[in-house]
Amino acid sequence: GAVVSQHPSRVICKSGTSVKIECRSLDFQATTMFWYRQFPKQSLMLMATSNEGSKATYEQGVEKDKFLINHASLTLSTLTVTSAHPEDSSFYICSVSSFGGTQYFGPGTRLTVL
Amino acid sequence: GENVEQHPSTLSVQEGDSAVIKCTYSDSASNYFPWYKQELGKRPQLIIDIRSNVGEKKDQRIAVTLNKTAKHFSLHITETQPEDSAVYFCAASEAGGGADGLTFGKGTHLIIQP
Repeated sequence: GAVVSQHPSRVICKSGTSVKIECRSLDFQATTMFWYRQFPKQSLMLMATSNEGSKATYEQGVEKDKFLINHASLTLSTLTVTSAHPEDSSFYICSVSSFGGTQYFGPGTRLTVL
Repeated sequence: GENVEQHPSTLSVQEGDSAVIKCTYSDSASNYFPWYKQELGKRPQLIIDIRSNVGEKKDQRIAVTLNKTAKHFSLHITETQPEDSAVYFCAASEAGGGADGLTFGKGTHLIIQP
């Protein structure tokens, strides 16, 4: 399957600051990547679909101006959490979709907002 | 949109016994159904998946069955081992072209008792 990396693995920031998370597809050119959020002891929730060279598609209830997604190349998508607040603290995981729909996940980024 | 229900939320079985986790979905357009295993603090790992043109798929001790008419699919693990202990998630999507995100069930915490 596809090899996916994320950076950073953990980040702690102050309330009101912005945080950028990178998702890289290391061995596969991904026209589509996905961003999920997982709160402790809960399931994964799809936040948005990242499309290379075009605007991301956001799920209902996800603020596009708060969670900025950029997919500038076939191997890199970034998620920027703007003006982060404690309720944004979560595990953010990206995935790469191979042909046929199989998704392979990155290792995740643990965001803690103080 | 799609809604995936998963049961049970916790399942405890004796080592060597079988475990069954069940999911139902709501959107008849969904045609791709993966199962993921997630250990604490780690990424979800794909363990098996099934597409709507197949009723059953098996990979060693793991099998998945799909009933499209009833809109439910199940994960079967035989001869359970301690390393099978983890949280298991079912998911569903319209996987044509790999452009759709996954809708996850709430997860099942599988505990293998020695």
